[in-house]
Amino acid sequence: AQKVTQAQTEISVVEKEDVTLDCVYETRDTTYYLFWYKQPPSGELVFLIRRNSFDEQNEISGRYSWNFQKSTSSFNFTITASQVVDSAVYFCALSEGTSGTYKYIFGTGTRLKVLA
Amino acid sequence: ETGVTQTPRHLVMGMTNKKSLKCEQHLGHNAMYWYKQSAKKPLELMFVYNFKEQTENNSVPSRFSPECPNSSHLFLHLHTLQPEDSALYLCASSQDRELTDTQYFGPGTRLTVL
Repeated sequence: AQKVTQAQTEISVVEKEDVTLDCVYETRDTTYYLFWYKQPPSGELVFLIRRNSFDEQNEISGRYSWNFQKSTSSFNFTITASQVVDSAVYFCALSEGTSGTYKYIFGTGTRLKVLA
Repeated sequence: ETGVTQTPRHLVMGMTNKKSLKCEQHLGHNAMYWYKQSAKKPLELMFVYNFKEQTENNSVPSRFSPECPNSSHLFLHLHTLQPEDSALYLCASSQDRELTDTQYFGPGTRLTVL
């Protein structure tokens, strides 16, 4: 079973629409970290956010917001008023483990296409 | 230069060639990573170095040979590759190899093996 599931393979929206990218994770650890990255066509994975397992406060950064819910093991990412420049592949990742056995696990990514 | 840089950005090589990928990080980090990203497959962690020592090798074929001469530089030496090795190779670094550490990525080298 995948430890980080991004069930949406590809999403297309029209510019200015809001879009939510889903991420569901699985871990037995009580302390862990969750991340989102953006990979534009240029290839580089750009770090967007890190959230620890004890902080369930939602976070907003400009048009980006993140909703972390431990009860459903989800860490969803919403882009408000999407723009063409938001077109990219977005990856969710989980950092878990104990000293010497840390794992940084990526989901398979969601390709977002924002159409003008 | 800032962040993580990788050279070359694109590489085409024959199966009998020997080439090397280079990664340099300017973040003062102690851990460095090589990942392989193939089309429609998850990111695959290949190697991890922490303080110049290799700490993880995820069953990578011996035709890929990493080298980490210092904490800022990481190489991936390639020889006798197969066409299925064509992929985007990403380098990353983090402060240490700890639970809390964020990995920062370079732009990748897009490798094509003919």
